[in-house]
Amino acid sequence: QSALTQPPSVSGSPGQSVTISCTGSSSDVGNYNRVSWYQQPPGTAPKLMIYEVTNRPSGVPDRFSGSKSGNTASLTITGLQAEDEADYYCSSYSSSSFVVFGGGTRLTVL
Amino acid sequence: QLQLRESGPGPVKPSETLSLTCTVSGGSISSRNYYWGWIRQPPGKGLEWIGTLYSSANTYYSPSLKSRVTMSVDTSKNQFSLRLSSVTAADTAVYYCARQPSPFTVIIAGGAFDIWGQGTMVTVSS
Repeated sequence: QSALTQPPSVSGSPGQSVTISCTGSSSDVGNYNRVSWYQQPPGTAPKLMIYEVTNRPSGVPDRFSGSKSGNTASLTITGLQAEDEADYYCSSYSSSSFVVFGGGTRLTVL
Repeated sequence: QLQLRESGPGPVKPSETLSLTCTVSGGSISSRNYYWGWIRQPPGKGLEWIGTLYSSANTYYSPSLKSRVTMSVDTSKNQFSLRLSSVTAADTAVYYCARQPSPFTVIIAGGAFDIWGQGTMVTVSS
């Protein structure tokens, strides 16, 4: 059982928006802004998409955005494209275990 | 451009020790404020953090694996290593190494894993 809870799957049509939630606790997401999101297409290594809740590394499209409210962080993808189909993972600094990951969410572009 | 590459001896038998090395190129493993981590992914499953180190004396391990994990760094070779003892089939996974900017300082991507290796598959089987 993962320390951070994500929905197993989400889907959307091209051009639509989707949001993936990531629920933790006061030991991680709730009290620290060290929340990150990773994209992992099949057969590839994860790629950092969002760090420190809202920041995008260079090269990541601005269609990807992050936010946080209380113990829940969210990744929103607007203007869905076929190439966005992948597994997405959240992660957070944790005062109890240093790092925790979510169980992952499979995004399907219909 | 910084790159990481995992390497290991191949299949491991149950009860033996799994040993992997991550070689860092294009930058120094001794760079201030950068930590180095191992993450694994069993077939068809999600990511699991194994541990992170800043130096051989400054390590953080997953509570669920702590009793079996040892991480170390060799600055002369620009490498860091993972040893996982008493392996079982449940340890079969793709193992990734990654760079982790410190979560304790003001630094870009602090706490995140910003650069990853390609991953190496380790199978535990008799």
